[in-house]
Amino acid sequence: DQQVKQNSPSLSVQEGRISILNCDYTNSMFDYFLWYKKYPAEGPTFLISISSIKDKNEDGRFTVFLNKSAKHLSLHIVPSQPGDSAVYFCAASGRTGNTGKLIFGQGTTLQVKP
Amino acid sequence: DGGITQSPKYLFRKEGQNVTLSCEQNLNHDAMYWYRQDPGQGLRLIYYSQIVNDFQKGDIAEGYSVSREKKESFPLTVTSAQKNPTAFYLCASSAGPPNYGYTFGSGTRLTVV
Repeated sequence: DQQVKQNSPSLSVQEGRISILNCDYTNSMFDYFLWYKKYPAEGPTFLISISSIKDKNEDGRFTVFLNKSAKHLSLHIVPSQPGDSAVYFCAASGRTGNTGKLIFGQGTTLQVKP
Repeated sequence: DGGITQSPKYLFRKEGQNVTLSCEQNLNHDAMYWYRQDPGQGLRLIYYSQIVNDFQKGDIAEGYSVSREKKESFPLTVTSAQKNPTAFYLCASSAGPPNYGYTFGSGTRLTVV
């Protein structure tokens, strides 16, 4: 039962263009969403997050959009840079129990070509 | 510098052997987590602990054990009962509610030989 899904295993974009990474979730109790970036043989690093009371959060080149009715979120990177090439994980957490557990998607490998 | 340290970076295990992965943090975080990464499957939760001397099973706890005797330390033992232990193991810590996010260690690559 995959509660958080990233249906695109990989994405390739040209440097300077927009990268759009997508994530779908099934549990309506999720109220906080995060994106992490991971390089090979390293731990993931936090990128950006969004609370369910918002529909957009922006941080520099990174913007996360949340569509609660569709249970869908997306990460936009503009402009894309070669250093953005990595695996991106979306993650979700819910209020229930407030354990702080994050449920991760499968990840999307982004390649930004110079 | 505050952070979370995993060791060793690479670990080889023989069939039938137990091995322990170390995870230490100096961030004063209450919660700690162990995840396993396999290709195409993302990060799956093995065990987590929200406070010293307490821990809970995650989604794939079978064949693993943990302890939380100190706030700073959350070691993971991969036992011989874990039939497919070859994977990349990630430890994380968090100050509390999910909006604080996780800080991850750099991971341990475990290979069965």
